[in-house]
Amino acid sequence: AQSVTQLDSHVSVSEGTPVLLRCNYSSSYSPSLFWYVQHPNKGLQLLLKYTSAATLVKGINGFEAEFKKSETSFHLTKPSAHMSDAAEYFCVVSDRGGYQKVTFGTGTKLQVIP
Amino acid sequence: DTGVSQNPRHKITKRGQNVTFRCDPISEHNRLYWYRQTLGQGPEFLTYFQNEAQLEKSRLLSDRFSAERPKGSFSTLEIQRTEQGDSAMYLCASSPSDRGTDTQYFGPGTRLTVL
Repeated sequence: AQSVTQLDSHVSVSEGTPVLLRCNYSSSYSPSLFWYVQHPNKGLQLLLKYTSAATLVKGINGFEAEFKKSETSFHLTKPSAHMSDAAEYFCVVSDRGGYQKVTFGTGTKLQVIP
Repeated sequence: DTGVSQNPRHKITKRGQNVTFRCDPISEHNRLYWYRQTLGQGPEFLTYFQNEAQLEKSRLLSDRFSAERPKGSFSTLEIQRTEQGDSAMYLCASSPSDRGTDTQYFGPGTRLTVL
């Protein structure tokens, strides 16, 4: 069984300040973890993924996430928020064992204040 | 554009009508997935195909729902006797294989409104 908990449904930051979107996971197997972004009326876009290589993963648009097995966390960060980052972000867990059933979190809506 | 495409993008129908959605995955992707996303929620898994074989269906997929991928390329999702509770965004995704490390690439979705 696997699950994902996104700890905040809404996060609001000022433009130019750091972003932290929190995600905790549960998985019976060695997981792959993903962050996707969904802009209004747009499809889901992959930001980054962890697949057992480096625990610090860099993605597109300056985002990165760190896999912490001891804390079962995969938090998404960005040093400086941009207005274009305003969107909904989903943390996703997948069974790396090969079945590839994925489970999405409920999403975190990021608001960036000018 | 070589991404995943879905048609139509929007569908408005009356309760009780049948609707069919189409998904064209990225060429040569073996896996194809259908998800449903309601307002304020993350996508929920409905079903997936490995080539033309439908390998799993979620309990969310009632008997009114049927999906096909006849030649292992495009897929259709049909909902019979639509209900207002079927109103949602229906997402399709594809991936190259069945490895858990593979990225799923999503289409823009079909938004269904049942009146």
